[in-house]
Amino acid sequence: EAGVVQSPRYKIIEKKQPVAFWCNPISGHNTLYWYRQNLGQGPELLIRYENEEAVDDSQLPKDRFSAERLKGVDSTLKIQPAELGDSAVYLCASSLDWTSSTHNEQFFGPGTRLTVL
Amino acid sequence: LAKTTQPISMDSYEGQEVNITCSHNNIATNDYITWYQQFPSQGPRFIIQGYKTKVTNEVASLFIPADRKSSTLSLPRVSLSDTAVYYCLGTNAGKSTFGDGTTLTVKP
Repeated sequence: EAGVVQSPRYKIIEKKQPVAFWCNPISGHNTLYWYRQNLGQGPELLIRYENEEAVDDSQLPKDRFSAERLKGVDSTLKIQPAELGDSAVYLCASSLDWTSSTHNEQFFGPGTRLTVL
Repeated sequence: LAKTTQPISMDSYEGQEVNITCSHNNIATNDYITWYQQFPSQGPRFIIQGYKTKVTNEVASLFIPADRKSSTLSLPRVSLSDTAVYYCLGTNAGKSTFGDGTTLTVKP
């Protein structure tokens, strides 16, 4: 079974440019997460979707970040415009259902490493 | 969600048992304790999860005392490939908060 797919794996842009990341979760997983991970730190949740609904976006910097999951399957995270401090690894994860007895074992993709120059 | 505290780093040798302890003094009644492993350039990978007492799977064991204010991940007979960052987190209703993890280095 295919895991969580993310693209691109690496992205280098200049500040003030826009950038977008794509994620395809494991088939059948209703819950999708976007995390940001800075060097030497643990992942920080940006947004969580249940199907197509964003149920937790409290940590998403809404002035420049946006996300969508239109059909409740794959998702896109966008930054516009990018700032130097946005350099990080952006991780996507999915889980079967947050109400399940396994309490959302999350399956992570390999991440997109963003470098803003 | 529980705020967790772990040692920043640990060293071990191949073949030894490694125990990583995590403190979570303010854990809520509904929180589960979940551990993840992360290798460089990869996303975290689920290891084990428990609520209380002891849970064991093919990879590790998780010990949670009755007061649930701490938990211990036990890795039996580690190998060089177990060198990674290990995260302890409280999990409730679809939400988890990662700390900065414990970097485990296994030496030959």
